Amino acid sequence: DTEVTQTPKHLVMGMTNKKSLKCEQHMGHRAMYWYKQKAKKPPELMFVYSYEKLSINESVPSRFSPECPNSSLLNLHLHALQPEDSALYLCASSQAITRDSNEQFFGPGTRLTVL
Amino acid sequence: SQQGEEDPQALSIQEGENATMNCSYKTSINNLQWYRQNSGRGLVHLILIRSNEREKHSGRLRVTLDTSKKSSSLLITASRAADTASYFCATEHPNTGFQKLVFGTGTRLLVSP
Repeated sequence: DTEVTQTPKHLVMGMTNKKSLKCEQHMGHRAMYWYKQKAKKPPELMFVYSYEKLSINESVPSRFSPECPNSSLLNLHLHALQPEDSALYLCASSQAITRDSNEQFFGPGTRLTVL
Repeated sequence: SQQGEEDPQALSIQEGENATMNCSYKTSINNLQWYRQNSGRGLVHLILIRSNEREKHSGRLRVTLDTSKKSSSLLITASRAADTASYFCATEHPNTGFQKLVFGTGTRLLVSP
């Protein structure tokens, strides 16, 4: 199984809602990533989990809260978002063993709209 | 910002023609990768070239790397309508950890039948 799955595909939420994005992979990868992508822009790294520990936080606002319950799952909890947070949220995974082996496998993304 | 620049921003060609897109980056790298993204979907890894390599091939793809000019090019030969997508270069830098990829601005390729 070389797939990264993400749910939901689409999410519309109000600024006072709490929601979660989910990501799952069964490739035995030990690094998992969250990216944010605005239209016609490149993906921007948000968080990296390595061996289930948060290793990189790219100064993301606290209204985004990542969680890695186990090596196959990655969540992104959303609370009190702003309309400018509307974007495509991409999850990715990689083997994370050495340099020069960091090919990342991406999920299809969750299209988030904040009203 | 370490973000790479890609040119052209958009490229429109006919099926069967070759497509070339270029990527420039700012600081030394461990490797450079190319990804494809179909409209509004996830990215797909195409090819990785290490800093000590100059050229790499994979099927209809040819990637070159010139570390002295801090630039790379991706050539797609005999293009097909299915190649229509956005293409991003992504660089891994020794000073930012191997898990952090810095994506370029992207080239939108349109291949017409």
